[in-house]
This record gives sequence, structure tokens and C-alpha cells, in this order.
Amino acid sequence: DQQVKQNSPSLSVQEGRISILNCDYTNSMFDYFLWYKKYPAEGPTFLISISSIKDKNEDGRFTVFLNKSAKHLSLHIVPSQPGDSAVYFCAASASGDDKIIFGKGTRLHILP
Amino acid sequence: DSGVTQTPKHLITATGQRVTLRCSPRSGDLSVYWYQQSLDQGLQFLIQYYNGEERAKGNILERFSAQQFPDLHSELNLSSLELGDSALYFCASSRVGRIYGYTFGSGTRLTVV
Repeated sequence: DQQVKQNSPSLSVQEGRISILNCDYTNSMFDYFLWYKKYPAEGPTFLISISSIKDKNEDGRFTVFLNKSAKHLSLHIVPSQPGDSAVYFCAASASGDDKIIFGKGTRLHILP
Repeated sequence: DSGVTQTPKHLITATGQRVTLRCSPRSGDLSVYWYQQSLDQGLQFLIQYYNGEERAKGNILERFSAQQFPDLHSELNLSSLELGDSALYFCASSRVGRIYGYTFGSGTRLTVV
């Protein structure tokens, strides 16, 4: 039972345009959400997070939006750069539980 | 270098065998987490240790076990290996509290032949 779902296995975006990666979750107890980025032959690295008390968090080119009623979050990258080509994992955790549940990931290709 | 060290990087072994994967957490981190990434699967949570004690268990098979030692390094033991156990195994560490997220190691790629 996938509690965190990333329904797009891959996404291709032109360099300079906006990349939007989507994520849905089913567990209403989740109150903290994270995005990780993974390059081949490396471990995932933390990118950005958001608490359920917010609906938006921004860090440079990266913005995460949270829609609690829809149990949906999205990661916006603008402008997209070649170095953004990687696998992006959406993740979530529940209050009182410091383990993090990950989605299957979305492979982002930035096209020249 | 994330500060989380996993050894070995690659491991090839035969079905039925037993292997041990090792993880040294980032300095100051008390929690260690183990995840499995199989082909076409996301990061599946296996088990968490905090300061030497098991804290949470996920979808970890009975053939698998783990421990965290007094120096905080952790080992994941996989026994009676099957072809389906071939995967990337990641270790992550964190300070107390979720706001810090995890720091991952670069993983151990296990191939069972």
C-alpha cells in the first residue's frame, strides 16, 4: 500500500522552463513533507521541506506547494537547469514518528 | 561526501548466502535508518535504530536483521539470500527530530546470482 504516490515515472522539460513534479499521499496523519533529489551512484540528498501548517515554501529556484484538502503536493523548479536532471523523491512523515515514507520517484530530464 | 559511510559499495553473492552491510552515521547523529530500493520501487523503509535501540520497523523480512553498536555504527544482516533481494540498500542518519531530514549514504548495491 503506497502511502506516498508519484504517478509520473518520468518527466522531460526544456531548459529554462518550469518543471512541476507532483505527489499525492493517502495518510491524513502526515504533517511534514520533504523532497529529495538523487543522482546516479549517489544517495538521495535533501532538497526542500514543508510543514502542514504552511501551504508554500520557497528556497531559491525550488518551491513546494501543499494542498492539504486534496492531499497533494508539488515541487516547482524554475528556471530548470541541466543539473536538475535527476530522480526526485517525494516523502512524508507523521507527528511523533521520525521515520520518513518515500514515493517511487520521478525521473526528471532537462532537455537542452 | 555526505558524512554517512556505507561499505561495501558493491556486493555480488550467491543465493542462500549471508551478507553484512555496514553503515557509519554522520558525526553527532544518533538515529540510523535502513532503506531498500529495488528496481521499479521507491525507497522502502526497513528499520530504524536510535542510540543503540530499535525504534521502528518497516517491511523488513525475517531473514534480515540489524543492530546499532555503542559507537553508533550499524550493520544490516541479510541471510538465506534470494534473487529478489538484489537491490540498492541505503543507510541514512539524522539528529533527533524530523525537521532535520535524513542524510543518506551512497548505498550498497547487492546482486544475488
